[in-house]
Amino acid sequence: GNSVTQMEGPVTLSEEAFLTINCTYTATGYPSLFWYVQYPGEGLQLLLKATKADDKGSNKGFEATYRKETTSFHLEKGSVQVSDSAVYFCALSVETSGSRLTFGEGTQLTVNP
Amino acid sequence: KAGVTQTPRYLIKTRGQQVTLSCSPISGHRSVSWYQQTPGQGLQFLFEYFSETQRNKGNFPGRFSGRQFSNSRSEMNVSTLELGDSALYLCASSEQGGNYGYTFGSGTRLTVV
Repeated sequence: GNSVTQMEGPVTLSEEAFLTINCTYTATGYPSLFWYVQYPGEGLQLLLKATKADDKGSNKGFEATYRKETTSFHLEKGSVQVSDSAVYFCALSVETSGSRLTFGEGTQLTVNP
Repeated sequence: KAGVTQTPRYLIKTRGQQVTLSCSPISGHRSVSWYQQTPGQGLQFLFEYFSETQRNKGNFPGRFSGRQFSNSRSEMNVSTLELGDSALYLCASSEQGGNYGYTFGSGTRLTVV
């Protein structure tokens, strides 16, 4: 089946630090990969996506590269801000499994000033 | 463009009752999916509707059902509520389906007492 594994959290960083949140996946078929972010009391927002190998998704300073050989889609940001504090979810979708998203467990990020 | 609208935002129900949640997708989006989010199980897929037809279903009991209307608005119903149904229920819409990325609503927080 399909599954997503994220690095264990929570993650606490100081402002302007470098962020990496690891994400690996298993999929039956060729997946599209996503990062979603959830702020307190809100739904999920699509942060970035990649639909084929070696694609790089980017948005708001965040980046992730679709690595087929290592089945990974790690999220990175060069300099985090306090406003980046949220829960980050890695997810995949495989057309052969219908349009469902399979999510990782989520990683809580806290950025301190 | 208006986002995905879910009503109500908060709901308290008694065990054994039934509940109906509503979702209005982004205009032009024909795919609507529902997810349950709990601290223990994370984000789990309930079902997806596309052009009024259920296209995909997750592993939930028959007490969970849904439907989609001709204007793409969707409702989900839970009958014979159990304490374990307490969760944040998220609706998401997409033009075609998961591989294109979903836009999520803010969710309905259901508490069963």
